[in-house]
Amino acid sequence: DAGVIQSPRHEVTEMGQEVTLRCKPISGHDYLFWYRQTMMRGLELLIYFNNNVPIDDSGMPEDRFSAKMPNASFSTLKIQPSEPRDSAVYFCASSLGRGLSYEQYFGPGTRLTVT
Amino acid sequence: QKEVEQDPGPLSVPEGAIVSLNCTYSNSAFQYFMWYRQYSRKGPELLMYTYSSGNKEDGRFTAQVDKSSKYISLFIRDSQPSDSATYLCAMRSTGRRALTFGSGTRLQVQP
Repeated sequence: DAGVIQSPRHEVTEMGQEVTLRCKPISGHDYLFWYRQTMMRGLELLIYFNNNVPIDDSGMPEDRFSAKMPNASFSTLKIQPSEPRDSAVYFCASSLGRGLSYEQYFGPGTRLTVT
Repeated sequence: QKEVEQDPGPLSVPEGAIVSLNCTYSNSAFQYFMWYRQYSRKGPELLMYTYSSGNKEDGRFTAQVDKSSKYISLFIRDSQPSDSATYLCAMRSTGRRALTFGSGTRLQVQP
């Protein structure tokens, strides 16, 4: 298995532009998570899905952020309009809904820079 | 105050040393405790997992959970330069799949 796939790996954009981050979870996993990592705040959960349905979006910072999961193999995180404070590494992770640890497998991340 | 506190380091040790990494937490509902390792410019990967209190050993790694003190630890024996990474503790409560992470401790093992 290729693991969790994220694209793009790097994104540089100007303030006010729309940014779309993409994620393909591991096949068969029914949970998908979006995290953001910064030096100041560490790794924070933004939103997670179960069977394509959003379960908890309490970590989404504001209305400029939206996430969708149209099918079991694809999810997007959109920022519109982007701001410099959105600069961070965004991780997608997936897991199985059974098993002892419900281990989350992380993708390589998208490094976003908003100038 | 954050739910999970972790000393950010950096922690620098010589090869072969025993390393102790720690986290404290405030939410008594946390039941599942994990340690993730993150190499530079990579995603975190699960290293150890423990349910409730007690110890768990896997090779050179030992995870300890003391729920009465709300304190968890990761010990690395015979540390190697390849162990140089950031170590993140993570935890969750029963019925909730989302993890709460510590800020991570950066470890450097000097050859």
